[in-house]
Amino acid sequence: NAGVTQTPKFQVLKTGQSMTLQCAQDMNHEYMSWYRQDPGMGLRLIHYSVGAGITDQGEVPNGYNVSRSTTEDFPLRLLSAAPSQTSVYFCASVRGRGTEAFFGQGTRLTVV
Amino acid sequence: AQSVTQLGSHVSVSEGALVLLRCNYSSSVPPYLFWYVQYPNQGLQLLLKYTTGATLVKGINGFEAEFKKSETSFHLTKPSAHMSDAAEYFCAVSDLGSPISARQLTFGSGTQLTVLP
Repeated sequence: NAGVTQTPKFQVLKTGQSMTLQCAQDMNHEYMSWYRQDPGMGLRLIHYSVGAGITDQGEVPNGYNVSRSTTEDFPLRLLSAAPSQTSVYFCASVRGRGTEAFFGQGTRLTVV
Repeated sequence: AQSVTQLGSHVSVSEGALVLLRCNYSSSVPPYLFWYVQYPNQGLQLLLKYTTGATLVKGINGFEAEFKKSETSFHLTKPSAHMSDAAEYFCAVSDLGSPISARQLTFGSGTQLTVLP
């Protein structure tokens, strides 16, 4: 049981480039989400999904796009990378109300 | 909207001393409450949670937390710190207002715990 798997672990992008951060879970959780972690700010919600075909914006969605074609996968797309998107990104999945959120190992992204 | 305040971005304790990490939330309705730990270059791991029932919650690695509704607090404690406890700790809440918000986490800004030999 792998849990939540994120790829890549590290990435350096040039300003204006696009890329996709991959996230997959094997626990059959309906709810998945993406967070970014910045020093002194905790984790902030970017986008979330309550099931295949259903996504919505979180607190800081600008510059990011998501889709959910299957229960397992929830990729995060950076459309045109900016230095302000330098951060550590975490994908998480949750089974139900008040239950544990399972996090991936994170993707450390640097935009130069 | 929910907010979570963690007092002290950095806390240092000596090995064997009491660990106290503070967390206060803003909500008129008691939310679900969580503490997560993050070791360097890793994801977040659940330490403990409060949903309903007993207000003193025990978690992994000897940590516990007490939900105090009157103080809107959920402070994390451990009687005796160990070197391996050095990590960043996050308090988080879920709003019970809807099935969606009950699965979403609002995080505090985190507290970096240093354990001195």
